[in-house]
Amino acid sequence: GQNIDQPTEMTATEGAIVQINCTYQTSGFNGLFWYQQHAGEAPTFLSYNVLDGLEEKGRFSSFLSRSKGYSYLLLKELQMKDSASYLCAVMDSNYQLIWGAGTKLIIKP
Amino acid sequence: DSGVTQTPKHLITATGQRVTLRCSPRSGDLSVYWYQQSLDQGLQFLIHYYNGEERAKGNILERFSAQQFPDLHSELNLSSLELGDSALYFCASSGQGDYGYTFGSGTRLTVV
Repeated sequence: GQNIDQPTEMTATEGAIVQINCTYQTSGFNGLFWYQQHAGEAPTFLSYNVLDGLEEKGRFSSFLSRSKGYSYLLLKELQMKDSASYLCAVMDSNYQLIWGAGTKLIIKP
Repeated sequence: DSGVTQTPKHLITATGQRVTLRCSPRSGDLSVYWYQQSLDQGLQFLIHYYNGEERAKGNILERFSAQQFPDLHSELNLSSLELGDSALYFCASSGQGDYGYTFGSGTRLTVV
């Protein structure tokens, strides 16, 4: 079966750095996505990795290791507005997105 | 504005009733996806349409049905509604060369 695992909840302090991990087992791989979702709102695209390595975009970076079925999202200089759920999703061999349950990130002052 | 339009934004209805949710994808996008998200839960994939044809089905109940019309807008029909159907329903679209999906703002359905 297809499976994506990520922690249910994480807590971090404003100004700090947090790493959200995601492991996956899917039938085929056509890229890994990270989305941000504030409560009651639509998910919004954060990053896309299809090759191994680190992709940096401002305060956010995403890393992929295809051989290990592993990715992480790194958030630096945390702000209160970063409090949200972070969804890991993998595009399978049928070009369907398989979603993790999401990681709820709580930022404390 | 993501370019994906969902109506209505909010819907309150009674158990046993039937409702229709509507989605207009971004201009040029041929794929439409429907998702259900209950409170504090993950996204549950319901169904995918591509250019009017059903492409993939997820955990969609038999009481639910969908279609995509020639103008590419899509409707999700929910019937014999139960309290447990209360959720956010998201539509997303994608096009050729896109990275991932673009989501609409969702329809919040409350069944009372």
